[in-house]
Amino acid sequence: QLQLQESGPGLVKPSETLPLTCTVSGGSMSSSTYYWVWIRQPPGKGLEWIGSIYYSGSSYYNPSLNSRVTISLDTSKNQFSLKLSSVTAADTAVYYCARLQRDYRNFYDYWGQGTLVTVSS
Amino acid sequence: QTVVTQEPSFSVSPGGAVTLTCGLSSGSVSTSYYPSWYQQTPGQAPRTLIYSTNTRSSGVPDRFSGSILGNKAALTITGAQADDESDYYCVLYMGSGMSVFGGGTKLTVL
Repeated sequence: QLQLQESGPGLVKPSETLPLTCTVSGGSMSSSTYYWVWIRQPPGKGLEWIGSIYYSGSSYYNPSLNSRVTISLDTSKNQFSLKLSSVTAADTAVYYCARLQRDYRNFYDYWGQGTLVTVSS
Repeated sequence: QTVVTQEPSFSVSPGGAVTLTCGLSSGSVSTSYYPSWYQQTPGQAPRTLIYSTNTRSSGVPDRFSGSILGNKAALTITGAQADDESDYYCVLYMGSGMSVFGGGTKLTVL
C-alpha cells in the first residue's frame, strides 16, 4: 500500500522560504504513470493546486504562484520537495502531497495526511 | 485563469438524493477534463470518490455516481446518510499534470 508523508517546519517567518518534503513508501517514483503533486488548503478554505513533477523531472506550476514555487524530485530517496519563497501570512495552509495517476484516468489516488504550515514572525 | 465553479453549499434530507455540479467559468465541462470528485471531512485529507467522470474509486458505495449533465460534471448522492455530511471538491484535469480545483460544496444532511 502506497503511503505519502509530508515533513517540514510548522512555522516559517514572513519573507523566508517554506521547505517541505514528501516521502513516498510502498512504491517507486520512477514510473511514467504518475505525477507527484503539491496541494494546499488555507484554514477554512478550499483546496488549491500548487504544482506537479513528473518522473523525468519536468515540473508544472500554478500560474498564480509560478515565480515563487520550485518542486524537485529525488527518486533515489523516494522523495519530492516543495520550496515556496517570499512567504506571507496568505501562505498559511495545510500542505498536502499527492499522487496523480495518468493514462486516461488523471486523478489523485493517494494523498498524504497533510501538514500545517503557519507563516508568522 | 480557469475557474471551476461549484455550489458553495447544499442540503439534503436523510435518505434523499442530491446532485452537486462542477462547471467552468467559460466553456463546458466534458469528459476530456477527466472530472474527479473528492470528499473531505474536517481535519482529514480528501478521499477519492469518482474519477474519469463516472468511475467509482475502490470501496466507494454505489450511492455515489458521477456524470456529465448539460455543460457540467455532476456528483449524485442517493440515499443520503449522516456521514455524507462533508465538503465535496471537483477537480478538472488540464493536461501535463496540471489540475484546477473547484471551490468546494459544503453538504449538510438534515
